[in-house]
Amino acid sequence: DTEVTQTPKHLVMGMTNKKSLKCEQHMGHRAMYWYKQKAKKPPELMFVYSYEKLSINESVPSRFSPECPNSSLLNLHLHALQPEDSALYLCASSPNPGPTSGNTIYFGEGSWLTVV
Amino acid sequence: QKEVEQNSGPLSVPEGAIASLNCTYSDRGSQSFFWYRQYSGKSPELIMFIYSNGDKEDGRFTAQLNKASQYVSLLIRDSQPSDSATYLCAFPPGRLTGGGNKLTFGTGTQLKVEL
Repeated sequence: DTEVTQTPKHLVMGMTNKKSLKCEQHMGHRAMYWYKQKAKKPPELMFVYSYEKLSINESVPSRFSPECPNSSLLNLHLHALQPEDSALYLCASSPNPGPTSGNTIYFGEGSWLTVV
Repeated sequence: QKEVEQNSGPLSVPEGAIASLNCTYSDRGSQSFFWYRQYSGKSPELIMFIYSNGDKEDGRFTAQLNKASQYVSLLIRDSQPSDSATYLCAFPPGRLTGGGNKLTFGTGTQLKVEL
């Protein structure tokens, strides 16, 4: 079972709202990721958690705040977003944190975010 | 030089033909290479990974890796209309460039399989 579950699938929020995206995996994976994908573009890495600790932040604006409550859960807290932040937000996980051979990254179905 | 380059397409092939998708990369330290398929409006789905030079076959899909020439290919035999999607190659950085668990994606090649 290679399943990463994301909720909600669709979210519309105003620029003054606070909302959260949630991600869950029960594969025992030790690395979890947030990616952002705009239309007709490849996914762009935002954050990486390794063993529940933030290991990579790709200079993401502070209006995006990740949280890893435990090894199975990953949240992305959203506050004061801009319309240009509208995109598909993808959560992913992999068995190990490092770039070892075959350390496959599995994606969830994504959360479509629209900021109005 | 870009880290990874893919022809954006669209690549059109007739049903039943072989589709060939290519990806070149600049990081000589990269060890693993992944091919993802992404249907419009959906998330990327892993098709194959390869980390040894040569060919790796899985059903109608064959991944080819040539580390000396720094390219990785995906062949789809007996292409079907359901194969129409965007195909993304991806790889983590090699150890010499800092390692870590980042996955760099190519821009993707749009494949259209026509009846």
